[in-house]
Amino acid sequence: EAQVTQNPRYLITVTGKKLTVTCSQNMNHEYMSWYRQDPGLGLRQIYYSMNVEVTDKGDVPEGYKVSRKEKRNFPLILESPSPNQTSLYFCASSLKGGSGTDTQYFGPGTRLTVL
Amino acid sequence: GDSVTQMEGPVTLSEEAFLTINCTYTATGYPSLFWYVQYPGEGLQLLLKATKADDKGSNKGFEATYRKETTSFHLEKGSVQVSDSAVYFCALRAMDTGRRALTFGSGTRLQVQP
Repeated sequence: EAQVTQNPRYLITVTGKKLTVTCSQNMNHEYMSWYRQDPGLGLRQIYYSMNVEVTDKGDVPEGYKVSRKEKRNFPLILESPSPNQTSLYFCASSLKGGSGTDTQYFGPGTRLTVL
Repeated sequence: GDSVTQMEGPVTLSEEAFLTINCTYTATGYPSLFWYVQYPGEGLQLLLKATKADDKGSNKGFEATYRKETTSFHLEKGSVQVSDSAVYFCALRAMDTGRRALTFGSGTRLQVQP
């Protein structure tokens, strides 16, 4: 089954404790992206990757890191989480980064709480 | 910059009522337009899309027409069901940005009562 998977689905942590949220897709997609969803704000892009070893900032990159060493994986790293990073996070992928008509497929989401 | 404006919710309807959720956008060029749906506790699923002016996207009884003259992409359904209760997001993807990010509206919660 074609899908985007994220782990963990739920995470409660404390300020400053480094964490990684994994994202994997099995559709051989070139483009991958991370969004955060906050009430009243919709989804905002954190980072994106057009292909392996190619990553760039989205609208709200502060406090986050990403890497794209393999085509299928795109982990999101919070080196020193803070309470304002409490949010619902979605990973997404699409076939080609260069086409505006491509459909983006979303993972199930990771609900992160930083105390 | 690009933006999407949706009507605020929640929208509460009785089963079999007609649904309209308004969506207007601001973007340069000719963006692709999408409606995504988020059921409780789940991720976003693509509901329908339209990639050029006057295109009509449709799926599961929902429809939306890409209106360039009014920069709108309103979502409609003739007869809603309880199972349609969810949050609906209008989004655009611009053709001329390297990021290829989706720009989302804030979402509209639909509650359908039996």
